[in-house]
Amino acid sequence: SYVLTQPPSVSVAPGQTARITCAGNNIGDKSVHWYQQKPGQAPVLAVYDDTDRPSGIPERFSGLNSGTTATLTVGSVEAGDEADYYCQVWDRSSDHWVFGGGTKLTVL
Amino acid sequence: QLQESGPGLVKPWETLSLTCSVAGDSISRASHFWAWVRQTPGKGLEWIGSLFYTGTTNSNASLKSRVSISSATSRTQFFLNLRSVTAADTAIYYCVRHSFSGFDSWGQGTLVIVSS
Repeated sequence: SYVLTQPPSVSVAPGQTARITCAGNNIGDKSVHWYQQKPGQAPVLAVYDDTDRPSGIPERFSGLNSGTTATLTVGSVEAGDEADYYCQVWDRSSDHWVFGGGTKLTVL
Repeated sequence: QLQESGPGLVKPWETLSLTCSVAGDSISRASHFWAWVRQTPGKGLEWIGSLFYTGTTNSNASLKSRVSISSATSRTQFFLNLRSVTAADTAIYYCVRHSFSGFDSWGQGTLVIVSS
């Protein structure tokens, strides 16, 4: 089955840029979606189809996907960005939706 | 808006049954799928399965033999049944609307504990 690997945690100071990676075999050939989940809340779609943002998501959130790694970038990080972030793909070969293990973003 | 409902406590080896009520939308839309996702306490997200408006379903192979997803004739509710539950099935269960461009609308989630 297809596996997505994320670092368990990323820490960044306010105002700096956070980069959260999601590794998978030839992930560049798939569309990657990213979710933000704050404590006690349901996940929220933050980036879809590698680079697109739903309405209401700040421009500070951006995505890239190439080769074996997709990256979610959060620019000018704020305290309110502290959350768990999950990547996700549709694995056509298995007809399964697959989530990464999640990354906890801590704002120092 | 999506809203989960169902028992918060299920005994081992019984069937977990949840309902998702869909407000302001319809399961009959061909543009979206309707899914169940769960999250074990302190852990990540796991896709359980999805329902298409035609009634076609697809589910996670790891759960497939125990899962059934269906919809009501009203087309404003869909259901999850998970048979023969164990403590490992204790989780927050979310119902979700999605397309191939991501899971764009989530219910608030409902905690189901499996315990005798």
